[in-house]
Amino acid sequence: QQQVKQSPQSLIVQKGGISIINCAYENTAFDYFPWYQQFPGKGPALLIAIRPDVSEKKEGRFTISFNKSAKQFSLHIMDSQPGDSATYFCAAAGTSGSRLTFGEGTQLTVNP
Amino acid sequence: NAGVTQTPKFRVLKTGQSMTLLCAQDMNHEYMYWYRQDPGMGLRLIHYSVGEGTTAKGEVPDGYNVSRLKKQNFLLGLESAAPSQTSVYFCASSYGLAGGTLAKNIQYFGAGTRLSVL
Repeated sequence: QQQVKQSPQSLIVQKGGISIINCAYENTAFDYFPWYQQFPGKGPALLIAIRPDVSEKKEGRFTISFNKSAKQFSLHIMDSQPGDSATYFCAAAGTSGSRLTFGEGTQLTVNP
Repeated sequence: NAGVTQTPKFRVLKTGQSMTLLCAQDMNHEYMYWYRQDPGMGLRLIHYSVGEGTTAKGEVPDGYNVSRLKKQNFLLGLESAAPSQTSVYFCASSYGLAGGTLAKNIQYFGAGTRLSVL
């Protein structure tokens, strides 16, 4: 049972465009929503994270938008660059501990 | 700055063989995790540990065993490898609850072990 659903599975964007990846969750006890970035041959690394007390968090070209009532959150990459080409995972964790539940992943390709 | 180190990086096994994957972290983290990554399925938690001497089952524990005899090391064992265990395995660590509200959830990953079972 996948508690965090991620879409799309793959995404191709032109350089300078906006990349948008969406996630939906089921468990209302989740209170921490990170995004991880993974380059080929490497392990995932934390990119940006949000807690449900805010609706948006921005770090440079990366923004998380959070909709608590819809139980959805999304990653927006502005001015996408070829160096952003990677696999992106959304995740969620609850108040009872630090275990993360990951989405299926999105393979992003930014064409020059 | 080693962080989380996994050995080996690659391994090919025959069905029925056994092996142990080693994970070492130098960040004094309480929590450690083993995941497997398969195409289209994201990262699935196999086992985890909330401190030295403790282990717990994750989402997909069958066919695997783990041990955490030292705080810095977390071992993943396959007693009798099966082709369905062909995957990329990742170890991760985090401060856990000891890190406080903000830090406890941040997991730091190793570079992975690519395992093929023939």
